[in-house]
Amino acid sequence: ILNVEQSPQSLHVQEGDSTNFTCSFPSSNFYALHWYRWETAKSPEALFVMTLNGDEKKKGRISATLNTKEGYSYLYIKGSQPEDSATYLCARYSGNTPLVFGKGTRLSVIA
Amino acid sequence: DTGVSQDPRHKITKRGQNVTFRCDPISEHNRLYWYRQTLGQGPEFLTYFQNEAQLEKSRLLSDRFSAERPKGSFSTLEIQRTEQGDSAMYLCASSFLTATDTQYFGPGTRLTVL
Repeated sequence: ILNVEQSPQSLHVQEGDSTNFTCSFPSSNFYALHWYRWETAKSPEALFVMTLNGDEKKKGRISATLNTKEGYSYLYIKGSQPEDSATYLCARYSGNTPLVFGKGTRLSVIA
Repeated sequence: DTGVSQDPRHKITKRGQNVTFRCDPISEHNRLYWYRQTLGQGPEFLTYFQNEAQLEKSRLLSDRFSAERPKGSFSTLEIQRTEQGDSAMYLCASSFLTATDTQYFGPGTRLTVL
């Protein structure tokens, strides 16, 4: 994998459903994996940064895991709410180089 | 509000005009980044500064684009002779260099070139 890839591109879920997204990235020269949430008309907001294989982070109903050996990260949202509607971006950091972002997963939570 | 701010939030211009955007980073941050985001894409790196020094420029940054950070504080991004393909969201981010380089973003400037 040469680029950071995210799937699915977009997702529509019902309020209360749990969901997850995938971020795949090159595993060589890996320093950190970032997740951002970008709501319309707002600034992208940093959610998590993970560095070690097996890292798990949690913030409220949102959690993320990291596998640096195979080059992927999952973002989970438990019991989705309409306010979770946003684009979720992941970005790979390989040390003293710019972040490389995926195209994002656009989540719509329907009340 | 001590976050990253950008001005203007929206800019509509005619093809061939010059435009300038401003970014004010978080005050203690020494790194400042410019990104461009178009529909269906993630943010794409354009250039970054560490203090006053511009350390890297993407090949996306044509000769019509110039960025400055004169005193290591705010930054400006100028686009000369705008083209319709320049229409995009221009995002600024700042960070205090650490092992993970977590960046904090402004709300962006949306440019529309008619």
